[in-house]
Amino acid sequence: AQSVSQHNHHVILSEAASLELGCNYSYGGTVNLFWYVQYPGQHLQLLLKYFSGDPLVKGIKGFEAEFIKSKFSFNLRKPSVQWSDTAEYFCAVNAGNSGGYQKVTFGTGTKLQVIP
Amino acid sequence: GAGVSQSPSNKVTEKGKDVELRCDPISGHTALYWYRQSLGQGLEFLIYFQGNSAPDKSGLPSDRFSAERTGGSVSTLTIQRTQQEDSAVYLCASSSRGRLETQYFGPGTRLLVL
Repeated sequence: AQSVSQHNHHVILSEAASLELGCNYSYGGTVNLFWYVQYPGQHLQLLLKYFSGDPLVKGIKGFEAEFIKSKFSFNLRKPSVQWSDTAEYFCAVNAGNSGGYQKVTFGTGTKLQVIP
Repeated sequence: GAGVSQSPSNKVTEKGKDVELRCDPISGHTALYWYRQSLGQGLEFLIYFQGNSAPDKSGLPSDRFSAERTGGSVSTLTIQRTQQEDSAVYLCASSSRGRLETQYFGPGTRLLVL
């Protein structure tokens, strides 16, 4: 069964600091990988996703993530965070079998607090 | 197009009572998920519906929890004999057919069991 680990539960950064949130998954086959974000008082929404091709994925608001297959990782990065990036971030994995009807498994989330 | 909607937005109930939570997915989305988001617990998968296939109920925490999806659209999550530990935000998400499976989330129902 697939699983997702987010090792950082709570991260506090000052504005302009660089961000890297860890995400590791366990599944031996082809995977689709996602990062979702939940801003305070808002719905969960997709930040970026990896399906195939270039392992460096660009998302909204300057975020990017790199799929490293050998490390089973999909870490989220941003070179310079802003106060508005304060949110909870969830990594998710979906086994990429043919047919596409696969359950998506979420990590437990990382709360990011950016201090002005 | 409307997004995923959930009702009620807030529900306060007494311990031991039954509650029903409703989810209206995006029209045409064949997959529907229920999650529970508790303080400090992250996002906990509950149940997954995909088209006419048997639902994946592997995340339901006890037999007090059940869900149905009528006509491949609206879904209802029922919690019987509620307990205080059931207090959480219950999120519904839907996605269209396809491997990318981007999920679109509703606003959630905040349940408080007194």
